Amino acid sequence: DAGVIQSPRHEVTEMGQEVTLRCKPISGHDYLFWYRQTMMRGLELLIYFNNNVPIDDSGMPEDRFSAKMPNASFSTLKIQPSEPRDSAVYFCASSLGGSDTQYFGPGTRLTVL
Amino acid sequence: GDSVTQMEGPVTLSEEAFLTINCTYTATGYPSLFWYVQYPGEGLQLLLKATKADDKGSNKGFEATYRKETTSFHLEKGSVQVSDSAVYFCALTFGGGFKTIFGAGTRLFVKA
Repeated sequence: DAGVIQSPRHEVTEMGQEVTLRCKPISGHDYLFWYRQTMMRGLELLIYFNNNVPIDDSGMPEDRFSAKMPNASFSTLKIQPSEPRDSAVYFCASSLGGSDTQYFGPGTRLTVL
Repeated sequence: GDSVTQMEGPVTLSEEAFLTINCTYTATGYPSLFWYVQYPGEGLQLLLKATKADDKGSNKGFEATYRKETTSFHLEKGSVQVSDSAVYFCALTFGGGFKTIFGAGTRLFVKA
């Protein structure tokens, strides 16, 4: 299996621009998680889905952030408009219901200038 | 609320030294406990886990025992290698694959 796939791996953008991060979970996994990692705040859960339905989005920092999962094999995290404080590494992870282990993608390093 | 506390880093050791990274948790029920490892430039990956009290998880020479009486899950390795340099995260979950609570992470540097 290819594991969790994220794109792009690196994104540099200017303040005010829209940013879209993409994730393909492991085939057959029914849970998908979006995390943000910074030096100051560590690893933060932003939102997670079960069977494509958002279950808990309490970690989404502001209305500028939105996430979708249109089907079982694809999810997006969008930031509009982006701000310098959004600079971080964003991870997607997936897991199989009944199994506790989460499988992480390689992350997207976002830099907002 | 539920939480995980792990020792602050960085931890710096010489090759072949003994490693302990402390982890304690607060939980209202009986969670499963995990150690994840993050190598530079990569995502987190599962290192080991334990699902009930007194279980011992082990992998790649690392071990951790689920201690309900002390609410701890300390990570140990008898002889570290340079390749073990990474960030280690203690975590808990109540199962079903949802909402894992992660500690802040402990960075380990191993010198040759």
